[in-house]
Amino acid sequence: DAGVIQSPRHEVTEMGQEVTLRCKPISGHNSLFWYRQTMMRGLELLIYFNNNVPIDDSGMPEDRFSAKMPNASFSTLKIQPSEPRDSAVYFCASSLGGRLPYEQYFGPGTRLTVT
Amino acid sequence: AQSVAQPEDQVNVAEGNPLTVKCTYSVSGNPYLFWYVQYPNRGLQFLLKYITGDNLVKGSYGFEAEFNKSQTSFHLKKPSALVSDSALYFCAVRDGNRDDKIIFGKGTRLHILP
Repeated sequence: DAGVIQSPRHEVTEMGQEVTLRCKPISGHNSLFWYRQTMMRGLELLIYFNNNVPIDDSGMPEDRFSAKMPNASFSTLKIQPSEPRDSAVYFCASSLGGRLPYEQYFGPGTRLTVT
Repeated sequence: AQSVAQPEDQVNVAEGNPLTVKCTYSVSGNPYLFWYVQYPNRGLQFLLKYITGDNLVKGSYGFEAEFNKSQTSFHLKKPSALVSDSALYFCAVRDGNRDDKIIFGKGTRLHILP
């Protein structure tokens, strides 16, 4: 298996622009997670889906952030409009999900720089 | 609420010496605990987990972790450190209210000195 795939790997954009990050989870996994990592705040869970349905979006910073999972093999995280404070590494992770504590598998991340 | 604490921001160990990275937890039910490692410019990688059973859990790359219920700890250990073990290590606990959600600690940076 190719693992969790994220694109782009690097994104540089100007303040006010729309940014879309993409994720393809591991085939057969039914839970998907979006995280953000910065030096100041560490690793933060933004939102997670189970069977394509958003379960917990309490970590989404504000209305500028939105996430979708239209099918089991694809998810997007969108920031509109972007701000310099959104600069971070964004990770997508997937797991088998369910009542047992399955481990999560992380993608390589998207490094976002907003100037 | 479930939580984990990693009391050390950084740990330095000489190559060949045993290493320990500390983690304590707070849960309201059964503790399901994890360790992850993050190498530079990479995503987190799963090392090992404790669900139930033997208090000594063995994982990837020669790492193991000891679950101690009385001390509410889940320390990561390795008998002989390698320079390549230098990385950022995260302890995590499953959120009892959300089966899939896990709560990560702030991480401990491990430096193995040659």
